Amino acid sequence: GDSVTQMEGPVTLSEEAFLTINCTYTATGYPSLFWYVQYPGEGLQLLLKATKADDKGSNKGFEATYRKETTSFHLEKGSVQVSDSAVYFCALSRFYGNNRLAFGKGNQVVVIP
Amino acid sequence: DTEVTQTPKHLVMGMTNKKSLKCEQHMGHRAMYWYKQKAKKPPELMFVYSYEKLSINESVPSRFSPECPNSSLLNLHLHALQPEDSALYLCASSQDGQRGGSSIQYFGAGTRLSVL
Repeated sequence: GDSVTQMEGPVTLSEEAFLTINCTYTATGYPSLFWYVQYPGEGLQLLLKATKADDKGSNKGFEATYRKETTSFHLEKGSVQVSDSAVYFCALSRFYGNNRLAFGKGNQVVVIP
Repeated sequence: DTEVTQTPKHLVMGMTNKKSLKCEQHMGHRAMYWYKQKAKKPPELMFVYSYEKLSINESVPSRFSPECPNSSLLNLHLHALQPEDSALYLCASSQDGQRGGSSIQYFGAGTRLSVL
């Protein structure tokens, strides 16, 4: 079945550091890929998406590129701020059939001033 | 506007109480979802309504009863819950629940439920 794997453990980094969160997926066909962000005490917000191979999603300085050859959708930001502290979830949905989202386990990101 | 509104934000209930969670969207979306999220975990799908019909029930216990009165509203009726049901309950909506692909799910802020 469809699955999403995110790197283990929280990520702690200093303000203005470079952020990478790894995400790989297993799915047949051509799923759509998403990054959602959850700030403390809030629901999930769509951060960015990509619907086909080589698409680059971007928003608020975050970027992720849909790499079919490596089945990856890694999230990057060049210079993080304290306000980027949140939990980040990678997710996919299939093109056909019901719109079921498969989530990764999520990564807690803590940015220290 | 991509807003999904959930009420109440917080709810405390006893195991014998009956309460309801409410979700509303005015984006013209025809699919609506209920998720349960425990701390430090991803959301778990509970129910999906597509065109106001229940299309997915992920083997959720009958003490959770969903209802979709119209295309803009989704309710979750709660009865005789257990302490382990304490969680954040998230509602989401998408344009179309019968095709995947780029049908993005938009989430509400959630209802934080505590069962005593």
